[in-house]
Amino acid sequence: GQSLEQPSEVTAVEGAIVQINCTYQTSGFYGLSWYQQHDGGAPTFLSYNALDGLEETGRFSSFLSRSDSYGYLLLQELQMKDSASYFCAVRPSNQAGTALIFGKGTTLSVSS
Amino acid sequence: DVKVTQSSRYLVKRTGEKVFLECVQDMDHENMFWYRQDPGLGLRLIYFSYDVKMKEKGDIPEGYSVSREKKERFSLILESASTNQTSMYLCASSPITAREAFFGQGTRLTVV
Repeated sequence: GQSLEQPSEVTAVEGAIVQINCTYQTSGFYGLSWYQQHDGGAPTFLSYNALDGLEETGRFSSFLSRSDSYGYLLLQELQMKDSASYFCAVRPSNQAGTALIFGKGTTLSVSS
Repeated sequence: DVKVTQSSRYLVKRTGEKVFLECVQDMDHENMFWYRQDPGLGLRLIYFSYDVKMKEKGDIPEGYSVSREKKERFSLILESASTNQTSMYLCASSPITAREAFFGQGTRLTVV
């Protein structure tokens, strides 16, 4: 099976940099994704890593290391609006079809 | 603008009722997913479908069934609703690669 581990909560102040880690146990997957969900809202896609290395999208970057079974989401120049839950997700390669499995999520609280 | 539409935002049903949750996407996506979201447990996959009339069990399929008669529509069925099925239900769709999934706004189901 697959499991993804994330810290349950992270706190930071405006302007800071925060890293949300995701460690996983899976027999194989196509890529690691990150999603953001504000309170009362739907999850929205942030980034995707198919290969090892860093992907940068504005203030957000995501990293994957398959050899370490590890990835992270890096948020820079934090703003209050970044307060949300963040989920990592994998698409396993050992299943028929295309499941998308999520971690339990990390709640980020940004204070002024 | 891509869209995943869930038929109800809030739903209250009685124990033992048969409940239908409907989801429609307008992006011609192959994959569709049903998740339930509970505090501290993240998004747990109930069922997914990668083609019309195709379905695969996710991590928590017990008590649920699904139907996909048309590519754009994926229905979740609670055969006999129970109080432990009170939850937020999220539908999502993605292209076959599942690189990026798009979510509906969710249905908050309360079973009394």
